[in-house]
Amino acid sequence: DTGVSQDPRHKITKRGQNVTFRCDPISEHNRLYWYRQTLGQGPEFLTYFQNEAQLEKSRLLSDRFSAERPKGSFSTLEIQRTEQGDSAMYLCASSLGSRAEKLFFGSGTQLSVL
Amino acid sequence: SQKIEQNSEALNIQEGKTATLTCNYTNYSPAYLQWYRQDPGRGPVFLLLIRENEKEKRKERLKVTFDTTLKQSLFHITASQPADSATYLCARLDNYGQNFVFGPGTRLSVLP
Repeated sequence: DTGVSQDPRHKITKRGQNVTFRCDPISEHNRLYWYRQTLGQGPEFLTYFQNEAQLEKSRLLSDRFSAERPKGSFSTLEIQRTEQGDSAMYLCASSLGSRAEKLFFGSGTQLSVL
Repeated sequence: SQKIEQNSEALNIQEGKTATLTCNYTNYSPAYLQWYRQDPGRGPVFLLLIRENEKEKRKERLKVTFDTTLKQSLFHITASQPADSATYLCARLDNYGQNFVFGPGTRLSVLP
C-alpha cells in the first residue's frame, strides 16, 4: 500500500496524559499536513511541513501541541496534558510540489480523551 | 479570513436521481475549488478540481461548476446509487495559498 498511513487508528487516553501520533506520507511527497476533524465538521488545518521545515501553524495549535518531521519523511504529532476538548479525528495528508492541487489523506487517528 | 459554506448538513435523494450539492465561499475567488468524498471513519478522498476559468468539469457521473459571480460551486452526481452515500467536502486555498480551508460537508444519503 503506497498511500498515507497513520498510526494508531484509535487512541483512548485519560485526561492529562500525553499522546503521540505518527504519519507516513506517500514517499515522494514533500508536503505534509495535519488536520483535526470533529463530528459534523470539515477538517481544520493545524500545521504543515515542506520537507523537514514546519512552515505554518494554526492558532488552534496551542502550546500543548507539537509536530515534527525530522528527516522530511514521517511526521509525529504530540499532544501533552490532553483535555477532553482534544477528542477528535486527527488527519494527516501529503502532497507533491509547492503548489499542491490535491491532498492525499490517511485514514486518521481517532482520539478519545476520557 | 476565507470561509466555505455548504448548503445543507444532510441531503436524502432517491436512487437514480441527480444529487446537487452547493458550496459557497467568501471574499475573493480562489484559483480553484476542490471536492472530496469522505466515508465514515476514513480520510477524505480527492474527487475533482475546478479552476476559476473553467465553468464546468465532468468525470464519469460527476459534474462540477464554478460561478465566480455567485461565489459558488455546484457538485452534481447523476444517476445516483446507494454507493454514492457519503459526506462530500468542498475546499479552497487559504489567504496565503499554502493550505486548504474545508467546508463542513454535506452528508448525502441515496435511498434504494
